[in-house]
Amino acid sequence: DGGITQSPKYLFRKEGQNVTLSCEQNLNHDAMYWYRQDPGQGLRLIYYSQIVNDFQKGDIAEGYSVSREKKESFPLTVTSAQKNPTAFYLCASSIYGGETGELFFGEGSRLTVL
Amino acid sequence: KNEVEQSPQNLTAQEGEFITINCSYSVGISALHWLQQHPGGGIVSLFMLSSGKKKHGRLIATINIQEKHSSLHITASHPRDSAVYICAVSDERKTSGSRLTFGEGTQLTVNP
Repeated sequence: DGGITQSPKYLFRKEGQNVTLSCEQNLNHDAMYWYRQDPGQGLRLIYYSQIVNDFQKGDIAEGYSVSREKKESFPLTVTSAQKNPTAFYLCASSIYGGETGELFFGEGSRLTVL
Repeated sequence: KNEVEQSPQNLTAQEGEFITINCSYSVGISALHWLQQHPGGGIVSLFMLSSGKKKHGRLIATINIQEKHSSLHITASHPRDSAVYICAVSDERKTSGSRLTFGEGTQLTVNP
């Protein structure tokens, strides 16, 4: 079945460490997105990519980095520069860019900084 | 004031009840999304609409562009409908960053 796979589902990190969250899709979608979800807040866009080898900062990109070397993959690195990284992270994709059209989400990755 | 406001924040119902979740927004939009986030955290898109009404099974979504308001209705609710329902609007003004502004969600619990 087509869909989006995120891993790991749970991740613990010590302060000062970088961690990478994986996001893979087999929907043949051009556009992929990373969102952050905090309690009591709506989802916020971290980074998005509309095409391979190109990506753009979202509203809260500081302390994060991404790559898009393959159409299927859009990994997110949470760097030590991110001051408050404990959150739930969701990857999504859509056929078209610019968050137009239906969004397909993964199951999410919960990051906890110890 | 948030650009997208959902009400109620929490809703508890008995199985079989008719449920309504509301979404009001303050910006011009090109589309509105209703999403369902199940207890495990994954999100499923329920509807995307820009006018009128859409129906899928027991779910109905309506939008009134003039009043900047949308509703999600669930008929004959069931415990498996228990989830967080999220409204998101696509802001027609935005040309960079996120075009979608998400509401905080409505936690629905349906008791047997």
